[in-house]
Amino acid sequence: DAEITQSPRHKITETGRQVTLACHQTWNHNNMFWYRQDLGHGLRLIHYSYGVQDTNKGEVSDGYSVSRSNTEDLPLTLESAASSQTSVYFCASSDWGNYEQYFGPGTRLTVT
Amino acid sequence: TQLLEQSPQFLSIQEGENLTVYCNSSSVFSSLQWYRQEPGEGPVLLVTVVTGGEVKKLKRLTFQFGDARKDSSLHITAAQPGDTGLYLCAGVRAGSNYKLTFGKGTLLTVNP
Repeated sequence: DAEITQSPRHKITETGRQVTLACHQTWNHNNMFWYRQDLGHGLRLIHYSYGVQDTNKGEVSDGYSVSRSNTEDLPLTLESAASSQTSVYFCASSDWGNYEQYFGPGTRLTVT
Repeated sequence: TQLLEQSPQFLSIQEGENLTVYCNSSSVFSSLQWYRQEPGEGPVLLVTVVTGGEVKKLKRLTFQFGDARKDSSLHITAAQPGDTGLYLCAGVRAGSNYKLTFGKGTLLTVNP
């Protein structure tokens, strides 16, 4: 069965370190999205991609970057982790022409 | 400014009760989706409503899209403990290019 996976599921890191969160989908979807979910803020879009070599900034992109070298993967990198980036991160994908998104199980990131 | 306002934020009821949660906006949406998120997991799509006035039923869940396509409601009949979770509405705005606008969610607890 097709799926979308995220790794690691939990991560603790120190302020200033670079961190990369992985997202892998086997739906063969063109569109991929990264969100963070925080109490009181709901789901906020960080970055998104419509296909290989395409990346776009979302509403809370400062301090984050993504790259899309193939259809299946959209890794999210925190260049220099800050305590304000402690959050739960979700990756999602959707097919071309379809707004319905499929979400991964999330990564809980703690920056100390 | 939150584009999609969900109410109530929290709801705790007894098994067997009925409930309604709301998703309101001053903006028009092309379509609106409802997701349910269980603890430690990613959101899962329940339904998409597209036409103003549309009503969709999913077992004990009834979803309605407002006539003006600015609001939606989710009604659960005879709630069960398995209905416990965070209910999120997400809207598609014209020209959004597959991006969703999420409400902050309603956290529902159904007590046995």
